[in-house]
Amino acid sequence: DGGITQSPKYLFRKEGQNVTLSCEQNLNHDAMYWYRQDPGQGLRLIYYSQIVNDFQKGDIAEGYSVSREKKESFPLTVTSAQKNPTAFYLCASSSQQETQYFGPGTRLLVL
Amino acid sequence: GENVEQHPSTLSVQEGDSAVIKCTYSDSASNYFPWYKQELGKRPQLIIDIRSNVGEKKDQRIAVTLNKTAKHFSLHITETQPEDSAVYFCAARSGDKLTFGTGTRLAVRP
Repeated sequence: DGGITQSPKYLFRKEGQNVTLSCEQNLNHDAMYWYRQDPGQGLRLIYYSQIVNDFQKGDIAEGYSVSREKKESFPLTVTSAQKNPTAFYLCASSSQQETQYFGPGTRLLVL
Repeated sequence: GENVEQHPSTLSVQEGDSAVIKCTYSDSASNYFPWYKQELGKRPQLIIDIRSNVGEKKDQRIAVTLNKTAKHFSLHITETQPEDSAVYFCAARSGDKLTFGTGTRLAVRP
């Protein structure tokens, strides 16, 4: 777990603003994932990437965008189109078809 | 796509008793079933996992059982301790994606 970092720990978004959440891993994992967790609920998949320069939409991709320019990095942008962004965002990584390990999370709040 | 249901949503047990959490899945092609423990405000951490070619796996006080025919799997915690109090999530992997259950909040009463 210590090999996956997320920043910032807390993020405040103003209406109409795009914000970017950082996720970095030094585990040499090929696959990376973004999940959203709402209070009292499970984890829902936003986007995932199996390889550099390629990514796929998850179950709730609307209002979000990602990039995968480097193996170590998978930033998530929460766009102004996401009308209810308040949540706990978790990044994960794994070797192909193996266990996913999570970062410490970013809590996004709307001002 | 895959659908995972988890029960119960809350569970309270006396310290020293056993706790059982059950999950069902819909996609018969799912082949990997991890369990995560999440403490308040923290990241989910893997506690045990099982693959579809195995029926049971144990690690000290924790065990997981898998019934592929019925498409359900369960987490068993024996001799519960207060530090076992947390939210537990099951998940099932189908293809490249993990689908999570909605979680079970376990409270262990001292």
